[in-house]
Amino acid sequence: EAGVAQSPRYKIIEKRQSVAFWCNPISGHATLYWYQQILGQGPKLLIQFQNNGVVDDSQLPKDRFSAERLKGVDSTLKIQPAKLEDSAVYLCASSFSPGRLYEQYFGPGTRLTVT
Amino acid sequence: QKEVEQDPGPLSVPEGAIVSLNCTYSNSAFQYFMWYRQYSRKGPELLMYTYSSGNKEDGRFTAQVDKSSKYISLFIRDSQPSDSATYLCAMSGGILTGGGNKLTFGTGTQLKVEL
Repeated sequence: EAGVAQSPRYKIIEKRQSVAFWCNPISGHATLYWYQQILGQGPKLLIQFQNNGVVDDSQLPKDRFSAERLKGVDSTLKIQPAKLEDSAVYLCASSFSPGRLYEQYFGPGTRLTVT
Repeated sequence: QKEVEQDPGPLSVPEGAIVSLNCTYSNSAFQYFMWYRQYSRKGPELLMYTYSSGNKEDGRFTAQVDKSSKYISLFIRDSQPSDSATYLCAMSGGILTGGGNKLTFGTGTQLKVEL
C-alpha cells in the first residue's frame, strides 16, 4: 500500500513570496489533515477535510493560508504572502474516516524555509 | 499552561536499557492516547494507541494511561540504536465528545540509544 505522498520535500522562499504544497493521501482515505510542525514542537493541526469539505480550520491563519481538496482526493496548501515565522515542516496525514483519528498516516513533510 | 506537556530531552541511554517516556495533560475530555515515533526528516509514525485508562503491550513497547493523574507513559524494553528518534505523545477526545476530534501533540522527546 502506497503511503501519503507530498511534494516538494524542501522549499526556500523569501518573505512576502507565495508557496504551495501538494498532498496525495492513501487511496480510500476520506479524511485529510494538514499540520504545521515548527522546529522543537509537536505538529499543530491547520485544517481537516472530510472528502472535499472542511471539518476544522480553526487554527488556520486564513489571512495568508488557504487549502483546498478538489474531488476529495489530492489537496494543496498555499501560503501567500509568507512570513519568517512560517518556516516549519508542513505535514499531510490521512485516515480512513474521522472516527479513526488514531490511525492517521503521515507523509514525509515539506520543509519550508522563509528568508 | 499547555494542554499537553512532554519533556523535550534529549534522553541518552545505553543499548539494552529500559526507556520511560512520559506526558501529562490537562484536558479531562481526552480519551484516545497515541504515541508516535519520528525519525529525522520523516513524518511521524504511529507506534501505539490506547483508549481510556490501562496498559497496552506490543513487543518491546508498553503504553500506560492513568486518567486519574492525567499521565501517560511509553516504556521501551531492550532499547536498540534503531529506536533513536523523537517520540511524540498525542491525544484526543474523539469525534463524539466535547474534547474535540483533532489530535493534540506534545513537543516530543528526543531519544538516543548508544552502543
